Amino acid sequence: EPEVTQTPSHQVTQMGQEVILRCVPISNHLYFYWYRQILGQKVEFLVSFYNNEISEKSEIFDDQFSVERPDGSNFTLKIRSTKLEDSAMYFCASTTETQYFGPGTRLLVL
Amino acid sequence: GESVGLHLPTLSVQEGDNSIINCAYSNSASDYFIWYKQESGKGPQFIIDIRSNMDKRQGQRVTVLLNKTVKHLSLQIAATQPGDSAVYFCAETLRAAGNKLTFGGGTRVLVKP
Repeated sequence: EPEVTQTPSHQVTQMGQEVILRCVPISNHLYFYWYRQILGQKVEFLVSFYNNEISEKSEIFDDQFSVERPDGSNFTLKIRSTKLEDSAMYFCASTTETQYFGPGTRLLVL
Repeated sequence: GESVGLHLPTLSVQEGDNSIINCAYSNSASDYFIWYKQESGKGPQFIIDIRSNMDKRQGQRVTVLLNKTVKHLSLQIAATQPGDSAVYFCAETLRAAGNKLTFGGGTRVLVKP
C-alpha cells in the first residue's frame, strides 16, 4: 500500500540553524501539507501546497518557513533560522480526498 | 476561531469492552470529518471518515456517528483490543479538494488486559 515517507526521523539542531525536512508524498496525490505537533498538544496546520504553489498557510507559517517541491517527487519544509519553540513533530500529508500522514520528523532545537 | 474539541482526555477501557470517544466541532460549515489514531512516535493513521450528508458510517470494528444538530461526532470501537491503545483525534474540514484539517485535542485510550 502506498504511503507518505519522511526523512529524517529525528533531527537535532542548534538555535539559529537552518533545517530542511523532507517528504515523499503518495505518487498520484496532488495536494500536499505540512502540520506540526508540539509535544502533548494537538496537530496544527502549517501550510498546504498545490500546483507548485502555496494554497493556504497558517499564522505559524511565518517568513522563517518555506516549502518547495524541487523535483516532482520530494516535498520539503525549510526553517531558515530555528527557534527553541520550533521543537515539535513535523508531519507531511498528501491527499486526493482523505489526507494520509507520514511518520513525522521529530525536530529538537537546542 | 473555529475549533474542534474533545470531552474526555483519557479513556480507560477493559479489553473486550466497547469504547466511545466523543468530539465536538464548532464550524457548522465543515462537511467532512475524519478520525485518526496516533500511536506513540508515529503519524496520525486514518481510521474512518464521514461526510455531512450521512449520520452513521461503519468500518471494521469501528463506527462513526455524526450529529449535525448539536455538532457532535463520536467514534465507537467494538471489542477493544490492546492494539487499540493510542491517542484518537477527530478532524474536520471542508471537503473541497485541498482544504486543511482542523484537529481536536485528542483522547488517549488505554486498554486494560
